[in-house]
Amino acid sequence: ETGVTQTPRHLVMGMTNKKSLKCEQHLGHNAMYWYKQSAKKPLELMFVYNFKEQTENNSVPSRFSPECPNSSHLFLHLHTLQPEDSALYLCASSQEASGGSTDTQYFGPGTRLTVL
Amino acid sequence: AQKITQTQPGMFVQEKEAVTLDCTYDTSDQSYGLFWYKQPSSGEMIFLIYQGSYDEQNATEGRYSLNFQKARKSTNLVISASQLGDSAMYFCAMREGTTGRRALTFGSGTRLQVQP
Repeated sequence: ETGVTQTPRHLVMGMTNKKSLKCEQHLGHNAMYWYKQSAKKPLELMFVYNFKEQTENNSVPSRFSPECPNSSHLFLHLHTLQPEDSALYLCASSQEASGGSTDTQYFGPGTRLTVL
Repeated sequence: AQKITQTQPGMFVQEKEAVTLDCTYDTSDQSYGLFWYKQPSSGEMIFLIYQGSYDEQNATEGRYSLNFQKARKSTNLVISASQLGDSAMYFCAMREGTTGRRALTFGSGTRLQVQP
């Protein structure tokens, strides 16, 4: 595997279900991100992890729970979601060297989530 | 105010011709990075090209180049010799360096359709 992988690619779940999205990066990066892409809205950041520590939480509802066990893996645990949470969830990674503006983020293929 | 503005929801171009996709940005930071991504219908966000705020030369990467006008706060993407495979959504994004945040701020995107 190369780059950033995400599983599953598609997920349909009911509002009472619990599911998890998985992201794995094979680039040796030290930072990982979750973004949400809803229809007709720009991509928006959800969480940032740097060296396994959460450094940003963009006011995301608690029904979304991230987990970063190591620098290569990132999970997004989902429970009691709402239909408006249906979206494409994208994971990204980057190598945060200087912590400045130049570090490029590389994205996975995304998980398309539908909440019924 | 929006930080990233892409005013062209959709663009058409004939195969083998050049096309320019517009992007303007708003920041008070002196250090920032500007990125362009391509998103085919499959959903993956593919990194294309980067321009740093201190770069004096316009960035180029194969058929992609940027027309970076710092005073106007614009960074337009030029795709030369368009190919059918270039049909996709194109997103402009910015990362502000001095705030310490690692998130990318995305524009709403431009859908490019290359016609044979």
